[in-house]
Amino acid sequence: AQSVTQLGSHVSVSEGALVLLRCNYSSSVPPYLFWYVQYPNQGLQLLLKYTSAATLVKGINGFEAEFKKSETSFHLTKPSAHMSDAAEYFCAVSSLNDMRFGAGTRLTVKP
Amino acid sequence: GAGVSQTPSNKVTEKGKYVELRCDPISGHTALYWYRQSLGQGPEFLIYFQGTGAADDSGLPNDRFFAVRPEGSVSTLKIQRTERGDSAVYLCASSLGSGRSTDTQYFGPGTRLTVL
Repeated sequence: AQSVTQLGSHVSVSEGALVLLRCNYSSSVPPYLFWYVQYPNQGLQLLLKYTSAATLVKGINGFEAEFKKSETSFHLTKPSAHMSDAAEYFCAVSSLNDMRFGAGTRLTVKP
Repeated sequence: GAGVSQTPSNKVTEKGKYVELRCDPISGHTALYWYRQSLGQGPEFLIYFQGTGAADDSGLPNDRFFAVRPEGSVSTLKIQRTERGDSAVYLCASSLGSGRSTDTQYFGPGTRLTVL
């Protein structure tokens, strides 16, 4: 069985500060990994995905994530937070035709 | 439309009633997924369609839940004898269907179901 753990249900950063949202996964086979963002009253939107090509994946809105097999991690980062980044972020792992989502991390950006 | 649409956006019903939730996927997407998202949780898989057939319904919690996609486009999630524990946001997603593990899923805004 595969699973995802997102460390920290709430993360708060100041505008302009580094954003780091943590995701660790468990999978018995090489996984595919995704980060989705959910704005209030909207559907989930794909930020980026890892599908066994480059381990450093760049996504939309300046986000990127690095797949580290040795650490079973796929942390999401952004060098400088904007107010518009405030949202809920979900990490997901997919393998063997099964996708599992983490519980989500709510990002708050302070002015 | 350009994206996945779901209707209604909100549904309030009484315990024991029957409800139907509708999903309109992106045109041309052969794969369609239903998820349930409870408060403070990530989406939980319910059922996956490839075309008209339910390729995987292992996530349906019990036989009160059923979904159809008769023409390979619009899908309806049906819940019989609703219970208060069914209250959640029901999300629909669609994808091209080229590979379930790698496909990007495009999500609708969800239907918030409240069972009183």
